[in-house]
Order: sequence, then structure tokens, then C-alpha cells
Amino acid sequence: EPEVTQTPSHQVTQMGQEVILRCVPISNHLYFYWYRQILGQKVEFLVSFYNNEISEKSEIFDDQFSVERPDGSNFTLKIRSTKLEDSAMYFCATRDYNEQFFGPGTRLTVL
Amino acid sequence: TQLLEQSPQFLSIQEGENLTVYCNSSSVFSSLQWYRQEPGEGPVLLVTVVTGGEVKKLKRLTFQFGDARKDSSLHITAAQPGDTGLYLCAGAIRSGTPDKLIFGTGTRLQVFP
Repeated sequence: EPEVTQTPSHQVTQMGQEVILRCVPISNHLYFYWYRQILGQKVEFLVSFYNNEISEKSEIFDDQFSVERPDGSNFTLKIRSTKLEDSAMYFCATRDYNEQFFGPGTRLTVL
Repeated sequence: TQLLEQSPQFLSIQEGENLTVYCNSSSVFSSLQWYRQEPGEGPVLLVTVVTGGEVKKLKRLTFQFGDARKDSSLHITAAQPGDTGLYLCAGAIRSGTPDKLIFGTGTRLQVFP
């Protein structure tokens, strides 16, 4: 069964460094999302992406964040200058009709 | 700000008991999804309900969407230890294309043998 994949599974970085989280969506899905989950808290929407542009972004998704689909397969989330509070699980999701399917997540730890 | 309240937050029961988890909001959703999440993993989709009043069954799990599409419930019959986990409801908000999901806080279920 097709599934969303994410790399790396765990990323440790120093505060102020740039990180890129990668996602390979389910093929033929057209809608892509990033969500995050801080430890012990609920899953929060970050951004949605369709037709090669951002459809909607949350208040969390400030100028330090960007997304792109550079090669038609990968979908990436970049954080330019990480902060301690960016430490969280980051989930990529792709959508088919009414259903969103989530990847296994990347655990980002900012030291 | 859309909120989705889930109750109870924690539930510990014996194998064979029945339980119901509730998901409530003041917002209307275009659809509502139930996920199960294991520690350190991504949410795994269980079911999607779309129509107000809709009922879906998945083996011992019964999902219902409220008539007004603001609330939902998950009922588990004869719970088993394998049902132990975190259950999340998520409502789809049609604020643009594509819909985004608003997640509930989750219900952590522990089923003891």
C-alpha cells in the first residue's frame, strides 16, 4: 500500500542552524501539508501546498519557514534559523479526496 | 480560532468493556477523521466521516458524525489490549484549497487484560 515517507527520522541541530526536512508524498496525490507536534501537545497545522504554491499557512509558519517541491517528487520544509522552541515532531501529510495520510514524522531536536 | 475538544483525555478499562470517546466543537467541519497514533509515530487514519449523521463501522469500532457536522464519537465494543493507544479526532476546515485539519487533544486508552 502506498505511503508517505519522511527523512530523516531524527535530526539534531544547533540553535541558529538551517534544517531541511524531506517528504515523499503518495504519488498522484495533489495536496500536501506540514504539521508539527510538540511533545505532549496536539498536532498543529503549519502549511498547505497545492499546485506548486502555498495555499494557507498558520501563525506558526513565519518567515523562518519555507516549503517547496523542487523536483516533482520531494516536498520539503526548511527552517532557516532554528530556535529551541522549534523542537517537535514534524509530520508531512498528503491528501486524496477527503482523507489526509501522514508520514512517520521527523523528530527535530534543537540544542 | 477553531477548537476541537476530546473527552475523556485518559481512559483505563478492562478487556471486554465498552467505551465511547467524544469529539466536540462549535465549528462545522467538511469532514472528520479519526486517527490512532503510537508513540514516536505519525497518525494512522482509521476512518473518515463526511455526511451529517453518518455512521461507519470498522470491526468493533463504530464512528458517528453529528447531524450538524460539529461533533463525532468513537465507540469501541469489547475492548482488547490491542486497542491500547492514542486516538485523535481531526476536523477538516474548508478555509481554502486544500482543507486543513484541526486536531483534538487526543484520548489515551489503556486496556488491561
